Amino acid sequence: AQSVTQPDIHITVSEGASLELRCNYSYGATPYLFWYVQSPGQGLQLLLKYFSGDTLVQGIKGFEAEFKRSQSSFNLRKPSVHWSDAAEYFCAVGALRSNYQLIWGAGTKLIIKP
Amino acid sequence: SQTIHQWPATLVQPVGSPLSLECTVEGTSNPNLYWYRQAAGRGLQLLFYSVGIGQISSEVPQNLSASRPQDRQFILSSKKLLLSDSGFYLCAWSVLGRAQFFGPGTRLTVL
Repeated sequence: AQSVTQPDIHITVSEGASLELRCNYSYGATPYLFWYVQSPGQGLQLLLKYFSGDTLVQGIKGFEAEFKRSQSSFNLRKPSVHWSDAAEYFCAVGALRSNYQLIWGAGTKLIIKP
Repeated sequence: SQTIHQWPATLVQPVGSPLSLECTVEGTSNPNLYWYRQAAGRGLQLLFYSVGIGQISSEVPQNLSASRPQDRQFILSSKKLLLSDSGFYLCAWSVLGRAQFFGPGTRLTVL
C-alpha cells in the first residue's frame, strides 16, 4: 500500500541548532516528493520538491532535502533554525499515474526553544 | 503569477444548516483543483478533486459535495452540516501535477 510516514509527531530544537525531519515513503511508482510547511491557522506553503536529477534539493527559507531511493526517504534539513521556523511540516508523495494526487504524511510539529 | 482565494476565512454554523465554501484561482488555466479537510491536530484528508469543469471525484463518502461550475472556481457544499464537519478546509490547485498550491483556508465550526 502507498504510504508516507513521518515518525516524529513533535520535535523540539533550540534556536540556532540544526534540524532534520524524517520522511519515509512506500510507493510503487517513481515518486515525486514534496515538503510543505503550515503555520497555525494558515494554508500550506511549498518548501521544496523533487522530481528527478540531483537528489539534494534546495528550497525556500534555507531548507534542503535529500532523496535516498535505497532508503525510501526524503528527509528535510536546515543547518540553523530560527524561531520563525516553528510550524508543522508535511511530507507528501505523488506520481504521474496517480492523477497527480498526493499521499500525505501526518505531519511533524516543530517547536523552537529560545 | 498565480493566486488562490478562499472565502469565508472563518464560519460558525449550527448543526443542520447548509454550507457553501468557495475557492477561486487566478493566473492559470485548466488547473486540477482539490478540497482537503484538516481536523484539529490531524493531517490532511482529501475530500474531492477535479480535473475539469463539471468533473468531480470524491475520495470520502460523506454529506459534503463539490462542484466546479467554471474552470477556476471550486465550491464545497453541504445541505445539512454535522458536528463532525468542523475543521479547517483547504483548497489547492495544481497544473501537470508539479506541486499543489494551497489557499489560506476556511475555519468551520459547527455548533
